[in-house]
Amino acid sequence: DGGITQSPKYLFRKEGQNVTLSCEQNLNHDAMYWYRQDPGQGLRLIYYSQIVNDFQKGDIAEGYSVSREKKESFPLTVTSAQKNPTAFYLCASSLQQGGWTEAFFGQGTRLTVV
Amino acid sequence: AQSVAQPEDQVNVAEGNPLTVKCTYSVSGNPYLFWYVQYPNRGLQFLLKYITGDNLVKGSYGFEAEFNKSQTSFHLKKPSALVSDSALYFCAVREGRGGKLIFGQGTELSVKP
Repeated sequence: DGGITQSPKYLFRKEGQNVTLSCEQNLNHDAMYWYRQDPGQGLRLIYYSQIVNDFQKGDIAEGYSVSREKKESFPLTVTSAQKNPTAFYLCASSLQQGGWTEAFFGQGTRLTVV
Repeated sequence: AQSVAQPEDQVNVAEGNPLTVKCTYSVSGNPYLFWYVQYPNRGLQFLLKYITGDNLVKGSYGFEAEFNKSQTSFHLKKPSALVSDSALYFCAVREGRGGKLIFGQGTELSVKP
């Protein structure tokens, strides 16, 4: 089955730790995205990537980092510099960045700081 | 800057009644508009999109949306609501071909039997 897979589903982080969220897609999509979801605030764009080895900051990139070494993979690292990381993180992909193509979403990773 | 607003945090509807979830947008160019649905602790599922052409767009699960350029709105509608339609609904807009996909804050739809 084609789709986009996020892992793990739940993740717990201690203060001062970096953690990495995985996102893999087998849809052969060029563009990939990371969003953060907080109650009542909708989805906010963290980073996005249009092609391999290239990515751009979204609206709330501070405290996060990404890499795009392979077309199918777009991992997100939440660093210790992110002061309020507890949230639901959603990865998405689309055939291309921009235009009329809709984004397909993974099932999300819920990150909790303990 | 482009933006999208969903003026209602929550919409309550009785099963069998029509439902409307409102969305207004602001872009400087031609908008590409999308609706998504989210069930608890899940990702977003695509419902429908407006790119160009007919102002009434039909999508998944019996949903439709009406694009109104003069009112800059893209309201989601369904003629007869089901209890299973209860979920969180997001409107999104992309400005032109190169713009980012920007989401509204979401509207919680509750359909009671």
